[in-house]
Amino acid sequence: QKEVEQDPGPLSVPEGAIVSLNCTYSNSAFQYFMWYRQYSRKGPELLMYTYSSGNKEDGRFTAQVDKSSKYISLFIRDSQPSDSATYLCAMGRGAGGTSYGKLTFGQGTILTVHP
Amino acid sequence: KAGVTQTPRYLIKTRGQQVTLSCSPISGHRSVSWYQQTPGQGLQFLFEYFSETQRNKGNFPGRFSGRQFSNSRSEMNVSTLELGDSALYLCASSLEPGPFYGYTFGSGTRLTVV
Repeated sequence: QKEVEQDPGPLSVPEGAIVSLNCTYSNSAFQYFMWYRQYSRKGPELLMYTYSSGNKEDGRFTAQVDKSSKYISLFIRDSQPSDSATYLCAMGRGAGGTSYGKLTFGQGTILTVHP
Repeated sequence: KAGVTQTPRYLIKTRGQQVTLSCSPISGHRSVSWYQQTPGQGLQFLFEYFSETQRNKGNFPGRFSGRQFSNSRSEMNVSTLELGDSALYLCASSLEPGPFYGYTFGSGTRLTVV
């Protein structure tokens, strides 16, 4: 079983829809939770970053972390065709461990927003 | 401000050869990490360097190695290439090691082994 599970999709939605992307994880050591967006032929770009549990909002994007359920989500409101990309969740451990600098990624969800 | 620069962008090598990939981090960033991305396995951590020292290593064979120079630039080397080494190799830099400061990725080097 992988430490981080993410539904690969693909997910296709109409412009203006609310998109929900999710990841589950099994390692309780994860303290940092990130969402990256990756366009074709590009490297991942950091979208949202949360430490521990809670919600964080940035424009049309909202990230939620529920450590008790080991579940994280990314919501995209008023989705646009320019949001079409692969979305990757990533998790990092807390300070002090030997794996502090290592990020563990989900498989990525391919999202297409059509006009 | 320049981002993370990886060279070359594309590379084709023959099985059994070796290859060296280069990464220049964002100015001021001292931590450099390397990841391998494939359709089947996704993004997998290779290693992280800080102050010219390897701090973390992923579960890859010894054919994969790296180093960091005093100016924080990093190189990774893959010896005795195998077909399965075909992948996008991504470099990420951060101010310091660890996820606290966030990692910025380059566009990657696409390696094809034939």
